[in-house]
Amino acid sequence: SQQGEEDPQALSIQEGENATMNCSYKTSINNLQWYRQNSGRGLVHLILIRSNEREKHSGRLRVTLDTSKKSSSLLITASRAADTASYFCATDATGTASKLTFGTGTRLQVTL
Amino acid sequence: DAGVTQSPTHLIKTRGQHVTLRCSPISGHKSVSWYQQVLGQGPQFIFQYYEKEERGRGNFPDRFSARQFPNYSSELNVNALLLGDSALYLCASMKTGDPYEQYFGPGTRLTVT
Repeated sequence: SQQGEEDPQALSIQEGENATMNCSYKTSINNLQWYRQNSGRGLVHLILIRSNEREKHSGRLRVTLDTSKKSSSLLITASRAADTASYFCATDATGTASKLTFGTGTRLQVTL
Repeated sequence: DAGVTQSPTHLIKTRGQHVTLRCSPISGHKSVSWYQQVLGQGPQFIFQYYEKEERGRGNFPDRFSARQFPNYSSELNVNALLLGDSALYLCASMKTGDPYEQYFGPGTRLTVT
């Protein structure tokens, strides 16, 4: 079963705009990770945020984590056409570091 | 360094047949996990192996089995294939210790007809 939900399910923006997608989960976690998937192929690891961290940056990516609300957000700034993909959050529950539970994903479309 | 590799890329099988999927982790990674991703959904955890031992199992029937070899590569076996087994099968490797980042291979697309 899926751990939680990504919101929105689909997002269409123009190049240069910012894209924000949200993730909710159900159980206590050690870490939360975000992945990108192009056209049903393998998952590319984007960023990991620990349960004791509130915000993390990597290049054009900014991730926040609110453990009290069991939610996270991924912000992609100055989006590019190459950012078009599906984005998934994945959590590893306390004591199960190797078992990732994925959300349902957000499909991002960036148009020129 | 090479990433996670999986073979084959695509596979077509008939109901009732057996399939073996293969995965080689990133060099130095001792943990391998398998996930099933049905079209339109997020991946679901099937197995995790570490140092050749099963360390975790998801909610999948006994038709699914796996093993890990001394070189840390892994095989996923599925017996008595059903149409519902059609999916992208992903392998992920993870190094020992914190942070527990998992790195995924390109996947094997299995179609059961």
